[in-house]
Amino acid sequence: AQKVTQAQTEISVVEKEDVTLDCVYETRDTTYYLFWYKQPPSGELVFLIRRNSFDEQNEISGRYSWNFQKSTSSFNFTITASQVVDSAVYFCALSEPFTNTDKLIFGTGTRLQVFP
Amino acid sequence: KAGVTQTPRYLIKTRGQQVTLSCSPISGHRSVSWYQQTPGQGLQFLFEYFSETQRNKGNFPGRFSGRQFSNSRSEMNVSTLELGDSALYLCASSSGQGGEPQHFGDGTRLSIL
Repeated sequence: AQKVTQAQTEISVVEKEDVTLDCVYETRDTTYYLFWYKQPPSGELVFLIRRNSFDEQNEISGRYSWNFQKSTSSFNFTITASQVVDSAVYFCALSEPFTNTDKLIFGTGTRLQVFP
Repeated sequence: KAGVTQTPRYLIKTRGQQVTLSCSPISGHRSVSWYQQTPGQGLQFLFEYFSETQRNKGNFPGRFSGRQFSNSRSEMNVSTLELGDSALYLCASSSGQGGEPQHFGDGTRLSIL
């Protein structure tokens, strides 16, 4: 069965600290996509990144970076020099293309609090 | 480009009633998915519609149903409401090609008294 585990329920940091959010997934398929979403207090889930199972290159976007390692089934997310505006719940998700669905399987989320 | 629009934003109902939630996807998106978010169960997939057909369904009772119209707008209906149905209901749209990012609305917060 497909599963996404985010073991960190809540993380608190002080502004400008670096923080890494962990994500471990399980799937029997060889072709899949992984996602990260951000949910601010307003409730909307904001898409951050998609990575397919064939591309293990790390990605950096401004202060955000993602480390995908198939060998450990992990897709971790790092925020460098965190800011108060980064405070939100972050979800890692798994989908399986080529199965005629866009269904996402979400982890339980990590609540990040960044204090000034 | 307008985002995903969900109406209403808030809803209060009592047990036994039924409710209909609406979702307008991003223009051009043909897939609409619904998720239920609760503190205890997290984000759970309800169902997905593509070109007016349900093509995937989560593990929810038959009281939860949905439909999609020819303009891709979607509605979900919950009948015989229970206290446990109190949740944030999120709608997401995508191109429907498989593996494409889903774009979410602000959600409808449903409270059952």
